Amino acid sequence: GNSVTQMEGPVTLSEEAFLTINCTYTATGYPSLFWYVQYPGEGLQLLLKATKADDKGSNKGFEATYRKETTSFHLEKGSVQVSDSAVYFCALSANQAGTALIFGKGTTLSVSS
Amino acid sequence: SQTIHQWPATLVQPVGSPLSLECTVEGTSNPNLYWYRQAAGRGLQLLFYSVGIGQISSEVPQNLSASRPQDRQFILSSKKLLLSDSGFYLCAWSSTSSSPLHFGNGTRLTVT
Repeated sequence: GNSVTQMEGPVTLSEEAFLTINCTYTATGYPSLFWYVQYPGEGLQLLLKATKADDKGSNKGFEATYRKETTSFHLEKGSVQVSDSAVYFCALSANQAGTALIFGKGTTLSVSS
Repeated sequence: SQTIHQWPATLVQPVGSPLSLECTVEGTSNPNLYWYRQAAGRGLQLLFYSVGIGQISSEVPQNLSASRPQDRQFILSSKKLLLSDSGFYLCAWSSTSSSPLHFGNGTRLTVT
């Protein structure tokens, strides 16, 4: 079946450090991939997405590239800020009618000044 | 533009009491609607999703139920809450099964 595995946190970084959060997936067919962010006490917000192999999604300085050969969609940011502290979720859509997004367990990022 | 409203924001209920959480979407028609639960340390668990009025798919058998009485209204219910029902409940909508989800702000439910 389809599944998403992301690195367990928490990830603790200093401001301006480089961030990588690993995400790998298992899927049949041609899924779409997403990163969502959840700030404390709020719902999830779409951060970026990629719909086919080699696509790069980017937003707010975050990037992730859809790598079909390694079934990965790692999230990266060159210089994190305190305001980036949140929980990050990797998700997969099987692109099939009647199915819902499958989420990873989430990775908590804590950035200190 | 589309908006999603979910209420209440927080709720404290005793064990055995009923539950009703409501979610409405504005600015779109015939959306896919979803209920997720986020328990501490467990990520997001899909509970129910609906592709149309009266059409509900259940992902996890439990004492919760969902209904979609109107096109843009999705209700999560329980007749008798359990302690294990505590968590953060999130409603979401999408245009299609492959479209990104748009989430409400969630309801923090504490069952005491």
